Amino acid sequence: EDKVVQSPLSLVVHEGDTVTLNCSYEVTNFRSLLWYKQEKKAPTFLFMLTSSGIEKKSGRLSSILDKKELFSILNITATQTGDSAVYLCAATGTASKLTFGTGTRLQVTL
Amino acid sequence: SAVISQKPSRDICQRGTSLTIQCQVDSQVTMMFWYRQQPGQSLTLIATANQGSEATYESGFVIDKFPISRPNLTFSTLTVSNMSPEDSSIYLCSVTFKWDRGFYEQYFGPGTRLTVT
Repeated sequence: EDKVVQSPLSLVVHEGDTVTLNCSYEVTNFRSLLWYKQEKKAPTFLFMLTSSGIEKKSGRLSSILDKKELFSILNITATQTGDSAVYLCAATGTASKLTFGTGTRLQVTL
Repeated sequence: SAVISQKPSRDICQRGTSLTIQCQVDSQVTMMFWYRQQPGQSLTLIATANQGSEATYESGFVIDKFPISRPNLTFSTLTVSNMSPEDSSIYLCSVTFKWDRGFYEQYFGPGTRLTVT
């Protein structure tokens, strides 16, 4: 059975801190790993990673994939209160179906 | 990406009734899926909505409980039938766009928050 595990489950940081969120996966015929930010109902797409060692970057967020060790990390630098959300990691195997992790709840305080 | 809309955005329903959720996309997409997110949990795939044919259901989900239609490439419906309080969840449709080299980016609609009393 496909499995995605995220850590930590929750995290509280001060504004300006840098955080690293972890995602490990075991997915048959792995194709890609996706990161989402969920604030209310709908997950918002952040990154899709398909190749090892190539960093994807968007503003203060960056992510990288290690296909040998079967994990990915999401980094957020200079955190802001608007970064407070649940961050979801998902992996695709066959048929583009996403298997989600349980998420990391990030709270950024002033 | 695309603009994805869902109706209704939320509803409160009585047990034993059914609710149909609509998902509309503003462009033709490769695949459409329906997910459920129960309170405090992550997302679970219910089924893949296939255009012009029966949906493909994941383990633990059946057509009688969650009938799905997809009459064309931009529209799908999910019905939650004979509801019980355990069906209280956020229901999300998602769509994929084919990227380079056979990879698919997947985007979510705004979700429908269902409460069953």
